[in-house]
Amino acid sequence: ETVMTQSPATLSVSPGDRATLSCRASQRIGSSLAWYQQKPGRAPRLLIYDASTRATGIPARFSGSGSGTEFTLTIGSLQSEDFAVYYCQQYHDWPPVTFGGGTKVEIK
Amino acid sequence: EVQLLESGGDLVQPGGSLRVSCTASGFTFRTYAMSWVRQAPGKGLEWVSGISGSGGTTNYADSVKGRFTISRDNSKNTLFLQLNSLRVEDTAVYYCARQGCSNGLCYLSSWGQGTLVTVSS
Repeated sequence: ETVMTQSPATLSVSPGDRATLSCRASQRIGSSLAWYQQKPGRAPRLLIYDASTRATGIPARFSGSGSGTEFTLTIGSLQSEDFAVYYCQQYHDWPPVTFGGGTKVEIK
Repeated sequence: EVQLLESGGDLVQPGGSLRVSCTASGFTFRTYAMSWVRQAPGKGLEWVSGISGSGGTTNYADSVKGRFTISRDNSKNTLFLQLNSLRVEDTAVYYCARQGCSNGLCYLSSWGQGTLVTVSS
């Protein structure tokens, strides 16, 4: 099973600043990585798939990069609606698909 | 618009059974693989099970293998998860999700709002 590790667990950012979230896979997964956003009491929402492709309707301030074992989600100029928990997920080796533990982006 | 609506969550005693459902609309259900993902209170996401569009291929997380059964009725655009031999640690919100695929590898492109299963005596 591929273990996904996200860092940091919590990221405190001021509105308008950039946020950089990291995700590491325990083995190489190519570009088979997705990022999801989850707000309290809501279902997760797909942001990025194939490591860098934005899902339909996702603003351009969200960008993904990386391949192999190291991945990054960057949120440029954080808006109030971006404060949430973000999960990475690998789908290269499944079953099972595996998620990282999440990064909470909070207001500084 | 893709819509996924889960139902059937309830309070169940340890050792009990429950079936949760997910009704799909806005897309050709039979052509998409589907998954169930759960989230325990205050915790992260855990993939539980997946099924191919035809229903012929199913997969399970080790934590539920032998206790949960995924199925689908393509004539009714409905996905099911039968939960047997329930444990306290199965307490979670259960989400159904439609898979999107790229070169045969599949992520979770659309999610329902979830249904809460509570296992407690």
